[in-house]
Amino acid sequence: AQSVTQPDIHITVSEGASLELRCNYSYGATPYLFWYVQSPGQGLQLLLKYFSGDTLVQGIKGFEAEFKRSQSSFNLRKPSVHWSDAAEYFCAVGGGTSYGKLTFGQGTILTVHP
Amino acid sequence: EPEVTQTPSHQVTQMGQEVILRCVPISNHLYFYWYRQILGQKVEFLVSFYNNEISEKSEIFDDQFSVERPDGSNFTLKIRSTKLEDSAMYFCAIVKGLAGGDPYEQYFGPGTRLTVT
Repeated sequence: AQSVTQPDIHITVSEGASLELRCNYSYGATPYLFWYVQSPGQGLQLLLKYFSGDTLVQGIKGFEAEFKRSQSSFNLRKPSVHWSDAAEYFCAVGGGTSYGKLTFGQGTILTVHP
Repeated sequence: EPEVTQTPSHQVTQMGQEVILRCVPISNHLYFYWYRQILGQKVEFLVSFYNNEISEKSEIFDDQFSVERPDGSNFTLKIRSTKLEDSAMYFCAIVKGLAGGDPYEQYFGPGTRLTVT
């Protein structure tokens, strides 16, 4: 069965600092990997995705993520965080023969200090 | 502009009552999904729906749940007899693209907050 672990429940960074949110997945074959962001009271917005090819993927809002098969990881990064990035971030994995069922991690809440 | 809207945004119901949550896609999508998020917990898959039939469902999606697309547009989730533990945010998701597109690129609606009292 596929699963996702986000080890950090809550991360606090200062505005302008760099950010890395960790994601580890468990899946038997090549996974489809995603990062979503959820602002308070809002739905889930797709930040970026990895299907195949270049293991460093670029997303919206200046985010990027790197797929490392050997570590079963798909960490999200941003070189300089803005106050508007404060939100909850979810890593998700999909794959196999199902019609795109996504399995989500627990989420990481990002707080940004001015 | 969002790919999908959901109604109502908030539903309060008494235990044992039936509720219907609606998902209104903007375009003629083929793949639909329902997920739920209990407060403070992870987003969980409920069911996927393709070509007017269920393609996969989770253990959560028991006989109390049903889905349909009655008018070829709205996609509904019905909970027959609500329980306290059904209180959650329910998200509809669709796959972008008129031809179905990649089933792994899902776009989520804003959600319906269901409160069962």
